[in-house]
Amino acid sequence: GDSVTQMEGPVTLSEEAFLTINCTYTATGYPSLFWYVQYPGEGLQLLLKATKADDKGSNKGFEATYRKETTSFHLEKGSVQVSDSAVYFCAEYRAGTYKYIFGTGTRLKVLA
Amino acid sequence: EPEVTQTPSHQVTQMGQEVILRCVPISNHLYFYWYRQILGQKVEFLVSFYNNEISEKSEIFDDQFSVERPDGSNFTLKIRSTKLEDSAMYFCASNGGANTGELFFGEGSRLTVL
Repeated sequence: GDSVTQMEGPVTLSEEAFLTINCTYTATGYPSLFWYVQYPGEGLQLLLKATKADDKGSNKGFEATYRKETTSFHLEKGSVQVSDSAVYFCAEYRAGTYKYIFGTGTRLKVLA
Repeated sequence: EPEVTQTPSHQVTQMGQEVILRCVPISNHLYFYWYRQILGQKVEFLVSFYNNEISEKSEIFDDQFSVERPDGSNFTLKIRSTKLEDSAMYFCASNGGANTGELFFGEGSRLTVL
């Protein structure tokens, strides 16, 4: 069935380092793709999304590009901050399925 | 800003007891979901609900689980006879329409089954 695969965590970076968190999807067709972030003790919040191939979602310095040819939606940020420490979830939604599929989450820890 | 609210924030129960988790989705949203997350792990889909009926459910959502929208504002998840492995964080989410993209999540209800 459809699934979303994320890189294993935890990812530990120093402040101002470059971040990449890989995500690939297997849904056929053109699912909508999302990155959600979960800060400690909180629910999930939408970080960014892309709804069609070659779209780039961006928010708070994070970016991800919907790549149909590689079925990927990797999350990047040029310079991470301590406040970016959280768990990041990649997710897909395929119209007509009535559900969003989440990846396993990648924990990011940014050290000062 | 509109938000999804969940109660209780934490519930401790004995194995075999019934539990009801409550959610108030965003008022003009049409699609409602329950997810669960066991100890900070994967966010697992349980069930989706639209037009007063279940749209889709996962293998996890067996006969012990049920959902209801009793009064047009609340959306409840009932676990009939809890098991130890039901201990998890349960998240309610809502969405304005199937293709609008964003799921709005509540802050979760932590269920601990002893």
